Amino acid sequence: ETGVTQTPRHLVMGMTNKKSLKCEQHLGHNAMYWYKQSAKKPLELMFVYSLEERVENNSVPSRFSPECPNSSHLFLHLHTLQPEDSALYLCASSPRTSGGEGTDTQYFGPGTRLTVL
Amino acid sequence: GQNIDQPTEMTATEGAIVQINCTYQTSGFNGLFWYQQHAGEAPTFLSYNVLDGLEEKGRFSSFLSRSKGYSYLLLKELQMKDSASYLCAVRDSNYQLIWGAGTKLIIKP
Repeated sequence: ETGVTQTPRHLVMGMTNKKSLKCEQHLGHNAMYWYKQSAKKPLELMFVYSLEERVENNSVPSRFSPECPNSSHLFLHLHTLQPEDSALYLCASSPRTSGGEGTDTQYFGPGTRLTVL
Repeated sequence: GQNIDQPTEMTATEGAIVQINCTYQTSGFNGLFWYQQHAGEAPTFLSYNVLDGLEEKGRFSSFLSRSKGYSYLLLKELQMKDSASYLCAVRDSNYQLIWGAGTKLIIKP
């Protein structure tokens, strides 16, 4: 496979469930990202893993928990979500060299459409 | 605060030209990106501007004026497949991407 893949593509869960989203990149990149995309709103950056350092948005609720076991894989663990968490969750990766040169363009996966009942 | 403004929706005719504007106020500037996103699909990279001027790539061109905090994406010879949302994003002084809400472009025959 090439590019950035995400599973599952669609997920429906109750507020008491625990589930995980998976992302895998086959581009040899050093940084991976989780975004939340809600209708008619800008992409919201949730978490970044870059060169094994995690950078997070302090406004993300603790019911979202990221895990990055290596530079190719990224997970988003979900527990006790709320209906307002229903959205498209996008994973992205970028080259992110230690020197910070270049455009560092982000490449996105197809997303997981999450519905919380 | 940081802000990216772009029109919510635009309509154009197949074969015509359309210009999608983006204005920004950010803490520093380290480049501006345009992405295309078809409904239900991943955003895909279109263009990157870091210096003032016009970057041309086939039917698509992107312009930047850093002094005005302004960019536009120009699409020529519009095709039905160009119907999509177009996202403007600016990388700030912390190298974080600040995103606009996107412009939904509707192409009519």
